[in-house]
Amino acid sequence: NAGVTQTPKFQVLKTGQSMTLQCAQDMNHEYMSWYRQDPGMGLRLIHYSVGAGITDQGEVPNGYNVSRSTTEDFPLRLLSAAPSQTSVYFCASSYSFQGGYGYTFGSGTRLTVV
Amino acid sequence: DAKTTQPTSMDCAEGRAANLPCNHSTISGNEYVYWYRQIHSQGPQYIIHGLKNNETNEMASLIITEDRKSSTLILPHATLRDTAVYYCIVTGTNAGKSTFGDGTTLTVKP
Repeated sequence: NAGVTQTPKFQVLKTGQSMTLQCAQDMNHEYMSWYRQDPGMGLRLIHYSVGAGITDQGEVPNGYNVSRSTTEDFPLRLLSAAPSQTSVYFCASSYSFQGGYGYTFGSGTRLTVV
Repeated sequence: DAKTTQPTSMDCAEGRAANLPCNHSTISGNEYVYWYRQIHSQGPQYIIHGLKNNETNEMASLIITEDRKSSTLILPHATLRDTAVYYCIVTGTNAGKSTFGDGTTLTVKP
């Protein structure tokens, strides 16, 4: 039982490049989400999914795409990287989108855009 | 989801109880109070949650006021390893929209 696995752990991109941050969970959780955390700040919700085939936007969705083709995977795609997207990205999952269930977080992907 | 207000920072002596407050005056009847902590730059870690009653687990206790407008997370015997940022969030049926504020930075001192 690996929990929530994020890859890569570190990434440097050039402005304008695209890439996909991977997130996988093996707990059969329906709910998954992506957050970003800028230095010294709290977490901000980018996108979330309440089940396979269902996604929705969070607080800061611009510049990011998501898809949820399976229960296990929830990749985050950066369309055209910008320096403002330099951040630490966390993926989280939960048994249900209903209240009463806590989130399990991955260890994060540290992204630098130059 | 209701918004929360937490102090920016707090100190606590090692071995003493750490009491972290959280205000959530706009909480609605079906919303839960959750606490997480983040040590250094690791992923946040779930601590505890509650709806109406006080809760206790191996990590901490959660005290929710009768009117549910505020709560306190209690670490009964703080250690240096409890130094972290603690987040209080409130979420209900649309947990997908859960937002984290800036949290409280707890520093446990020897």
